[in-house]
Amino acid sequence: DAGVIQSPRHEVTEMGQEVTLRCKPISGHDYLFWYRQTMMRGLELLIYFNNNVPIDDSGMPEDRFSAKMPNASFSTLKIQPSEPRDSAVYFCASSSRRGVNTEAFFGQGTRLTVV
Amino acid sequence: AQSVTQPDIHITVSEGASLELRCNYSYGATPYLFWYVQSPGQGLQLLLKYFSGDTLVQGIKGFEAEFKRSQSSFNLRKPSVHWSDAAEYFCALNNNAGNMLTFGGGTRLMVKP
Repeated sequence: DAGVIQSPRHEVTEMGQEVTLRCKPISGHDYLFWYRQTMMRGLELLIYFNNNVPIDDSGMPEDRFSAKMPNASFSTLKIQPSEPRDSAVYFCASSSRRGVNTEAFFGQGTRLTVV
Repeated sequence: AQSVTQPDIHITVSEGASLELRCNYSYGATPYLFWYVQSPGQGLQLLLKYFSGDTLVQGIKGFEAEFKRSQSSFNLRKPSVHWSDAAEYFCALNNNAGNMLTFGGGTRLMVKP
């Protein structure tokens, strides 16, 4: 398996623009997580899905952020409109509850810069 | 509420020296604990994990960690550090209820030649 795949790796956008980050989880994993990493706040869980259903979105900072998982192999995180304080590295991770293997596998991340 | 604390933000060790990175957690039951490593510009890679059983767990790259329930700790150790170990290390806890990870703030390791 190729692991968790995120795109794009880097995104630079102007304030006010819409940004969409994409994630393909590992095949067969039924959990998907979106994390944000900043110097000030470290790694924060934004939202996670189980079997494509959002379970906990309490970490989503504002209504400007939204996430979807239309099927088991694809998820998006959208920011509309984007602001400079959204600049961060966004990670997607997936895991499976089968057996005792509950470790999360992370993608390479998307580095977002909003200017 | 669960939490993970990594008391050391930065640590510098000489190549070949031993290493111990501290991790303390707060959780009401037995947690699932993990150590991840992040190299610059990269994602997080799992070093090792503790679910149950033997409290000393071995991981990749020569790392090990010991779960101490009485101290609520899960410290990461390596007997001899290599320059390539310079990275940021994250301790994490999974409460196994929602399968979500709570991360510590990370420890940045620098290795002196």
